[in-house]
Amino acid sequence: DTGVSQNPRHKITKRGQNVTFRCDPISEHNRLYWYRQTLGQGPEFLTYFQNEAQLEKSRLLSDRFSAERPKGSFSTLEIQRTEQGDSAMYLCASSLAWDLGSGTDTQYFGPGTRLTVL
Amino acid sequence: GNSVTQMEGPVTLSEEAFLTINCTYTATGYPSLFWYVQYPGEGLQLLLKATKADDKGSNKGFEATYRKETTSFHLEKGSVQVSDSAVYFCALSVSGGSYIPTFGRGTSLIVHP
Repeated sequence: DTGVSQNPRHKITKRGQNVTFRCDPISEHNRLYWYRQTLGQGPEFLTYFQNEAQLEKSRLLSDRFSAERPKGSFSTLEIQRTEQGDSAMYLCASSLAWDLGSGTDTQYFGPGTRLTVL
Repeated sequence: GNSVTQMEGPVTLSEEAFLTINCTYTATGYPSLFWYVQYPGEGLQLLLKATKADDKGSNKGFEATYRKETTSFHLEKGSVQVSDSAVYFCALSVSGGSYIPTFGRGTSLIVHP
């Protein structure tokens, strides 16, 4: 497996347009996370899936944002009516989650999709 | 709540110099601690991790020790190379819940030949 992949790598759009990003996780990983990263900041959590279920969404994820993972494999993140403030790097990560008390969930990141809203 | 504080960058060093990037944290519960590295235009790569107090994570010459008494996880390398130039992120996640990590703001490292 070659790791987490994201497409497209770059997207330039005009304000008000809709955009959709795709993430393909590492094949055996059951958790998939979306983050947003702006310049000079660490990744900010948006949402995550365990298999096909979306288990948590951040308050950062406004109504214009929607994410899906229909078959528990790849995921899409759609932004409707984009705004200039949506310009950022959108990162996807996946993990093979396990919880054994002192266990840990190590996430592996994709290269990101850089969105520029004009 | 959980938080991670990293030293502000950029950190500028000459090749073969000793590197320390400070990271301190606050957490509810018992966190696992991570260092990620991000090269320009790329996503984050896991560099090393430690899951309990006094554990030392190490990889590619980098080391960090989980210090519960000082709530720290400082990143060190004995001799940096130009290729180590990148942004380094400290992060924590708490087991028993969603494991959603909390990241620091990142520290930029610039290594000159």
